[in-house]
Amino acid sequence: AQKITQTQPGMFVQEKEAVTLDCTYDTSDQSYGLFWYKQPSSGEMIFLIYQGSYDEQNATEGRYSLNFQKARKSANLVISASQLGDSAMYFCAMREGTGGSYIPTFGRGTSLIVHP
Amino acid sequence: KAGVTQTPRYLIKTRGQQVTLSCSPISGHRSVSWYQQTPGQGLQFLFEYFSETQRNKGNFPGRFSGRQFSNSRSEMNVSTLELGDSALYLCASSFGGMATYEQYFGPGTRLTVT
Repeated sequence: AQKITQTQPGMFVQEKEAVTLDCTYDTSDQSYGLFWYKQPSSGEMIFLIYQGSYDEQNATEGRYSLNFQKARKSANLVISASQLGDSAMYFCAMREGTGGSYIPTFGRGTSLIVHP
Repeated sequence: KAGVTQTPRYLIKTRGQQVTLSCSPISGHRSVSWYQQTPGQGLQFLFEYFSETQRNKGNFPGRFSGRQFSNSRSEMNVSTLELGDSALYLCASSFGGMATYEQYFGPGTRLTVT
């Protein structure tokens, strides 16, 4: 079974509008971390935001926020006020494990295109 | 502060050969992780080195190996290359390793096996 599922292969949004990228995860661990990364066409992965499984508040980093719904095992990324430079692949990832042993798993990604 | 650097950026090898990729982390970072990205399998974790010791390992065959030097620079080696090893290989560095949440990725090495 997929540990990280991103059901939207592609998304389109108008510049300045908000967009939500979906991510659901599957784990039996109590302690885990959820990440979002952005990968522009240049190939370099850029860390955007992190949510720990015990964090009660949704993480926010500038225009990025993570809508964390633990019971539904969902960790959607919300980008407010989209910019043309936001056009990229977006990957949701989960880090499981404890005691120094951690294995990250990535989703297949969502391609976001921002229209002017 | 300089970012993560990877060399070479592009590489073409023949099936059966071996290849070594290099990654220099951000100064002060002790952890280097390696990932393989392909259109078919997506992004997959290979292994992590922390203070010269392999600390975490993904599900890859023994043909994939790595090491880390005392200056935290890391190399990844793939022996007996197969066509399926063609991929973008990314390395990432962090100060505290996988327990911390922020990793900084390099631009990747694009390996083509013919």
